[in-house]
Amino acid sequence: GPKVLQIPSHQIIDMGQMVTLNCDPVSNHLYFYWYKQILGQQMEFLVNFYNGKVMEKSKLFKDQFSVERPDGSYFTLKIQPTALEDSAVYFCASSLGGGSQNTLYFGAGTRLSVL
Amino acid sequence: GDQVEQSPSALSLHEGTGSALRCNFTTTMRAVQWFRKNSRGSLINLFYLASGTKENGRLKSAFDSKERYSTLHIRDAQLEDSGTYFCAAGTGGYKVVFGSGTRLLVSP
Repeated sequence: GPKVLQIPSHQIIDMGQMVTLNCDPVSNHLYFYWYKQILGQQMEFLVNFYNGKVMEKSKLFKDQFSVERPDGSYFTLKIQPTALEDSAVYFCASSLGGGSQNTLYFGAGTRLSVL
Repeated sequence: GDQVEQSPSALSLHEGTGSALRCNFTTTMRAVQWFRKNSRGSLINLFYLASGTKENGRLKSAFDSKERYSTLHIRDAQLEDSGTYFCAAGTGGYKVVFGSGTRLLVSP
C-alpha cells in the first residue's frame, strides 16, 4: 500500500538546539499531518498542512514549532529551540483529501530524544 | 474535547479464537480508521469507514456514527495478528483523535 517515509528513525539532540524532522509523504497526497506520542500516552494531533498553509493546529503545536514543504520535497517539522518535553515519537501522515473523512497513511515515526 | 475511549487496553487470545475491540466516542464522528502497529512501529491501515461494516479476511469492522461506536472483530486469530490496535476518528475537520490502543497478544 501507500507508504510514508520518515527520516531519521531516531534523533538525539541537546536541549536548546534546533531539530528538523523529515517526512516523505505519499506521492500524490495533498494534506500532511504531524502527530506526537509521548511514551505510554496516546497519539496527539499537532498540525495539518495543505497548499503551503497550516489549516489546523492543536495547543501542543507551540510557537517553537514550524512546518513547511518547500517545492514539493520533504514535509518537515522544525523545532527551535528544543525543550526536554519535546522528547517523543513524532508521526507524519498524509492523505489525498483533507480531514477525518479521508484515509490517513502514517510513517513509522521519528523518535526524538532531547537531552 | 472530543474523546475516543478504546477497550480493552490489553487482550490475550489463543490461536484460532476471536474477540472484539471497541471504541466509544463522546461526540458524533464522521469516520473512523483502524490501524495495527507492528513490531517496527509502523501503523498499518486496516479499515476506513464512514458508515456500516467492512470485512477483510479475518477482520471485520463496524461503525455507527449515531450510536457513537466502532468495533473491530478478529476471528481465527493467528500469531502474526499480535500487535497494538488503534482506532482513530474525526468529526469532519482536519484533526483525527486516536484511542489509547489495545495490545493484542496471540499465543499458541
